[in-house]
Amino acid sequence: AQTVTQSQPEMSVQEAETVTLSCTYDTSESNYYLFWYKQPPSRQMILVIRQEAYKQQNATENRFSVNFQKAAKSFSLKISDSQLGDTAMYFCAFMKPRAGNQFYFGTGTSLTVIP
Amino acid sequence: DADVTQTPRNRITKTGKRIMLECSQTKGHDRMYWYRQDPGLGLRLIYYSFDVKDINKGEISDGYSVSRQAQAKFSLSLESAIPNQTALYFCATSDAGATGELFFGEGSRLTVL
Repeated sequence: AQTVTQSQPEMSVQEAETVTLSCTYDTSESNYYLFWYKQPPSRQMILVIRQEAYKQQNATENRFSVNFQKAAKSFSLKISDSQLGDTAMYFCAFMKPRAGNQFYFGTGTSLTVIP
Repeated sequence: DADVTQTPRNRITKTGKRIMLECSQTKGHDRMYWYRQDPGLGLRLIYYSFDVKDINKGEISDGYSVSRQAQAKFSLSLESAIPNQTALYFCATSDAGATGELFFGEGSRLTVL
């Protein structure tokens, strides 16, 4: 079975600073995808960034980037120049294409950006 | 308009009542999912469907049933609601392609008294 662990239930960061959210996962699969989803107070789930396991290059999306360490099974999210709108719950997720793109979610990290 | 629409957005009901949460999508995706979100537990899969004739149980299907009325519609039922089914419920869709991204509805918050 796949497990996704987010060991930081809550974090805070000063506006304009950088913060890193941790995520580890456990799998025996070789082909898989990793995601970070953001859930602001509006409760909408929004895709932040996606990483294919077969790609060695770390994904980036504007101020968001990941540090993907496949051997260590680690997938951390770095948010640069934090903004008040980044305040949200962040979920790490693992997806295996076999068996119908099943997703496995971590328990989430609640991030607060402090003005 | 949202691509994935859930109704109702919020619902308060009493123990023993039958509740249906509805989901419709305009993305043309074959795959649809129902998830449950609880504080500290993340999102857990209740049921998923790959097409109208294919429905599968997820991690926590006990106490729930689903119906895929059409490619675009996937409803979740609680036949006899109980308080520990109080949660935020999400419908999601994905295509069968390699991107695998889940597209979520806005969630249905259910409170069972």
